[in-house]
Amino acid sequence: EIVLTQSPGTLSLSPGDRATLSCRASQSVSSTSLVWYQQKPGQAPRLLIYGASRRATGTPDRFSGSGSGTDFTLTISRLEPEDFAVYYCQQSGNSPFTFGPGTKVDIK
Amino acid sequence: EVQLVESGGDLVQPGGSLRVSCTASGFTFNTYDMNWVRQAPGKGLEWVSHIGAAGRTKDYAGSVRGRFTISRDNAKNSLYLQMNSLRAEDTAIYYCGRLYTTSSGKALDMWGQGTLVTVSP
Repeated sequence: EIVLTQSPGTLSLSPGDRATLSCRASQSVSSTSLVWYQQKPGQAPRLLIYGASRRATGTPDRFSGSGSGTDFTLTISRLEPEDFAVYYCQQSGNSPFTFGPGTKVDIK
Repeated sequence: EVQLVESGGDLVQPGGSLRVSCTASGFTFNTYDMNWVRQAPGKGLEWVSHIGAAGRTKDYAGSVRGRFTISRDNAKNSLYLQMNSLRAEDTAIYYCGRLYTTSSGKALDMWGQGTLVTVSP
């Protein structure tokens, strides 16, 4: 089973700041298999990035994904008020299709 | 409108059974693989199960294998999760998700609103 570790657990930032979220895998993950989701309280998750770097339909261009192998990054260039949420990475290449524990981005 | 709607969540006793459903609309259901993902109260996301578009391929997380069964009825645009031998640790919101697959990657691009399953005496 591929274990995903996300850091930091919580990121306290202000609107307009840049956010850098990390997702590390216990073994190499194909770049086509790394996904990022956003979840707000009381809502279902929403797809942000797939294939490590491809924005899903409707994802603003302030969100970008990068990385390969075991290290992946989600960057939010300038935080908007609606971006404060929990972000999960997932690997969709090898069963079980594991999620990371999440990074909460909250308002400083 | 393109959407997924879960139903069937309930309070059930440990050792009991429950079937949750997911009804799809607004897209060609029988061309998409589907997944179940759950989230325990206050916790993160856990992938539970996968089924292929035709219903022939199925896969499960180790924590539910042998107890849960995924199925679908493409004529009814519906996805199901039959849960047997339920345990307290199965308490969660259960989400269905549509698997979007391209040469560039695959991901759950549409989610339902979830249905709550509570396992308690």
